[in-house]
Amino acid sequence: QVQLQESGPGLVKPSETLSLTCTVSGGSISSYYWMWVRQPPGKRLEWIGYINDSGNTNYNPSLKSQITMSVDTSKNQFSLRLNSVTAADTAVYYCARGGRDFWSGYYMKYWGQGILVTVSS
Amino acid sequence: QSVLTQPPSVSAAPGQMVTISCSGSSSNIGGNFVSWYQHLPGAAPKLLIYEHDRRPSGIPDRFSGSKSGTSATLGITGLQTGDEADYYCGTWDSSLSVVVFGGGTKLTVL
Repeated sequence: QVQLQESGPGLVKPSETLSLTCTVSGGSISSYYWMWVRQPPGKRLEWIGYINDSGNTNYNPSLKSQITMSVDTSKNQFSLRLNSVTAADTAVYYCARGGRDFWSGYYMKYWGQGILVTVSS
Repeated sequence: QSVLTQPPSVSAAPGQMVTISCSGSSSNIGGNFVSWYQHLPGAAPKLLIYEHDRRPSGIPDRFSGSKSGTSATLGITGLQTGDEADYYCGTWDSSLSVVVFGGGTKLTVL
């Protein structure tokens, strides 16, 4: 069974960079699309973007200037960096795995449990 | 901004059936696949339905999905107390170039 686990700091100061890593177990990171989704308190889920094992990315246009995603196939991990954060970036951040072809449904088949990241001084 | 609209809450008795609607537009549900997710507090969200009406392995056939025009529906039959959760629809929005989600529906099994 594929499992995903987010890790990173739970508190980030305004204007700094939020960095999260997702570790994949029970399956290879190869041949799939890997995504980040967040949910601010009291708000709906927001798709951040995807990366595949070749490093190809597709970011949410509203966040594109802030985001960098990367993948490390040797560690079976992928990562998210969100720079210049503000209080509006406070959210539960989830990592998720899609299918072998993102455009065949753009669904998230497996999710991590999520990590709460608070932006505050 | 285009969004997907879900009822905030639905409720039904154990053993009964419930449907959860997801209303969108031609730029999202009208032209793209819909998926549905179950989210219990503190747990990882779970994919219930993808590509409108397909169930991943391990998801019981009590869960079903359908789409008509710019709306989609999740159906749950034989309700169990363990089904109490938040349910979200999601799809691609071709105008926004982003995956969009509904606001979520809280299911209460009375």
